Amino acid sequence: NAGVTQTPKFQVLKTGQSMTLLCAQDMNHEYMSWYRQDPGMGLRLIHYSVGAGITDQGEVPNGYNVSRSNTEDFPLKLESAAPSQTSVYFCASSQPTTGKAYEQYFGPGTRLTVT
Amino acid sequence: GQNIDQPTEMTATEGAIVQINCTYQTSGFNGLFWYQQHAGEAPTFLSYNVLDGLEEKGRFSSFLSRSKGYSYLLLKELQMKDSASYLCALMDSNYQLIWGAGTKLIIKP
Repeated sequence: NAGVTQTPKFQVLKTGQSMTLLCAQDMNHEYMSWYRQDPGMGLRLIHYSVGAGITDQGEVPNGYNVSRSNTEDFPLKLESAAPSQTSVYFCASSQPTTGKAYEQYFGPGTRLTVT
Repeated sequence: GQNIDQPTEMTATEGAIVQINCTYQTSGFNGLFWYQQHAGEAPTFLSYNVLDGLEEKGRFSSFLSRSKGYSYLLLKELQMKDSASYLCALMDSNYQLIWGAGTKLIIKP
């Protein structure tokens, strides 16, 4: 199993550009989420999904959109990038019905810089 | 609301024991997680506590007191590879994770 994969690993955007960060998992997990991690702050939830066709907003959803057309994929779209979106983005998945009760598996992260 | 506090940075010596504390305030509680994150890498799961008491897993142990809103992660026989950030995360009543800012642990020889 590849686990959770994210592409790209690094990206530089100019203000106003749009971009989709890709996330895929091969563990058949129902729950998937996107976080951003900034220095000195905890991981902050952007959007999450509890299953195909179902998405919801997290703590910091503004400027981001998501979709979940199947179990495996959960892309994050930045419609019009802003410097405040410079961050490290992590995708995570979990399967609450397993014995490890909501343990989340993280992808390797995407380091995004918006100039 | 919810709030999680943990020290920003700690230093310890190789072979020693270190305890990383996490205090929290929440209106709903469904468990507390500890994750390890090496610099430039993704967080990886260490432990999960939902009941009071100590959970031991090799060199790492995690303790929870729900009445005190307190948890700690205990690392024994420290190794240089334990240098990392340790993230405390609270699962709230909606089963969402609220994350602390993390404790950077520096291990010195």
